[in-house]
Amino acid sequence: GAVVSQHPSRVICKSGTSVKIECRSLDFQATTMFWYRQFPKKSLMLMATSNEGSKATYEQGVEKDKFLINHASLTLSTLTVTSAHPEDSSFYICSARFPSGDTQYFGPGTRLTVL
Amino acid sequence: ILNVEQSPQSLHVQEGDSTNFTCSFPSSNFYALHWYRWETAKSPEALFVMTLNGDEKKKGRISATLNTKEGYSYLYIKGSQPEDSATYLCALLPSGNTPLVFGKGTRLSVIA
Repeated sequence: GAVVSQHPSRVICKSGTSVKIECRSLDFQATTMFWYRQFPKKSLMLMATSNEGSKATYEQGVEKDKFLINHASLTLSTLTVTSAHPEDSSFYICSARFPSGDTQYFGPGTRLTVL
Repeated sequence: ILNVEQSPQSLHVQEGDSTNFTCSFPSSNFYALHWYRWETAKSPEALFVMTLNGDEKKKGRISATLNTKEGYSYLYIKGSQPEDSATYLCALLPSGNTPLVFGKGTRLSVIA
């Protein structure tokens, strides 16, 4: 299957700092990427849909100024958690939609811990 | 809000046992159903994309069925092996251009 990388896999930061997470589709071009967040014992919660060359579409309740998404190329989307606070500590995972639209391929996720 | 339910939440089976688990979804909002296998510290791996009522798909010892009229899909694992231990996620695609809606997953542990 296709490969999606995510970096970093784990990050620990101080409260108030910003953290950038990268999601790359390594062997295909993805016009659409998705960012999810997983709370303990919960399902993957969609945060936003990232479309190459246009503004991301955020789900209800997700602050767009807090979670900045940039999809500047067909192989890279970034999520920046701005002014992170302990409640932002979570597991963030991205996926990229294959051009045929049938399947999404996931990155391995990023564990963010805000102290 | 669309609800995708998976049961059981977790499952422990002996090596060699066959097992199955369920994904339920609203039958009125269906375009496709995806199954993923998610091992710890790895990316979720796409197993099946199911679209037609009555579909049955197979990949090695793993197979899945789909009933869109009643809104459920079963995932079967024949002769479970320790390497099958993972969380199995199903996700509903309500229409062609919408995001996936995930269930909470079934965590399978296969004991040698």
